[in-house]
Amino acid sequence: TQLLEQSPQFLSIQEGENLTVYCNSSSVFSSLQWYRQEPGEGPVLLVTVVTGGEVKKLKRLTFQFGDARKDSSLHITAAQPGDTGLYLCAGEGTSYGKLTFGQGTILTVHP
Amino acid sequence: DAGITQSPRYKITETGRQVTLMCHQTWSHSYMFWYRQDLGHGLRLIYYSAAADITDKGEVPDGYVVSRSKTENFPLTLESATRSQTSVYFCASTPDEGRDQPQHFGDGTRLSIL
Repeated sequence: TQLLEQSPQFLSIQEGENLTVYCNSSSVFSSLQWYRQEPGEGPVLLVTVVTGGEVKKLKRLTFQFGDARKDSSLHITAAQPGDTGLYLCAGEGTSYGKLTFGQGTILTVHP
Repeated sequence: DAGITQSPRYKITETGRQVTLMCHQTWSHSYMFWYRQDLGHGLRLIYYSAAADITDKGEVPDGYVVSRSKTENFPLTLESATRSQTSVYFCASTPDEGRDQPQHFGDGTRLSIL
């Protein structure tokens, strides 16, 4: 069974601060996806990283896939209240189409 | 409108009762999934389906039954509900277009079992 350990589980910060969320595993994944979920809605894809060492930027969000494709991080620069939500990492492993999700990080950004 | 729809959005039932959660997608995606979401556990896969009439167990299948007679529908049944099955349930779909495809989620069903 492939596991993804996501940390921290909760993050409460002030507007303008930077933060990083981590996703770690002992297993290799073919890709790593990051989702964001708002209350009362399903998760929505933010980005997919596929190549070891890959870095993708989405405005103030930077996603990195580890060289060995076992870990990933999400960095948010100058967080804003609109960034508040649940962030989930998910890895696709050996089983086609199936994702293993991390536990999620609940981010609250205070004005 | 195209998309993935779950019904009902909210359901309250009693232990021992049978309850069915519905999921319908209009994209003709091959793959469909059922997850449960509980605090501290993220999303855990219950069952998935690669195509009509093909289903397989996920991480937490006990107490659940699925069927997929048509590509667009993937109902999830709790045959005899227990309190531990109180959760938010999400259905998702993804096309069979190679690896690394995103999953598209419904808005969930919040199920409470008393």
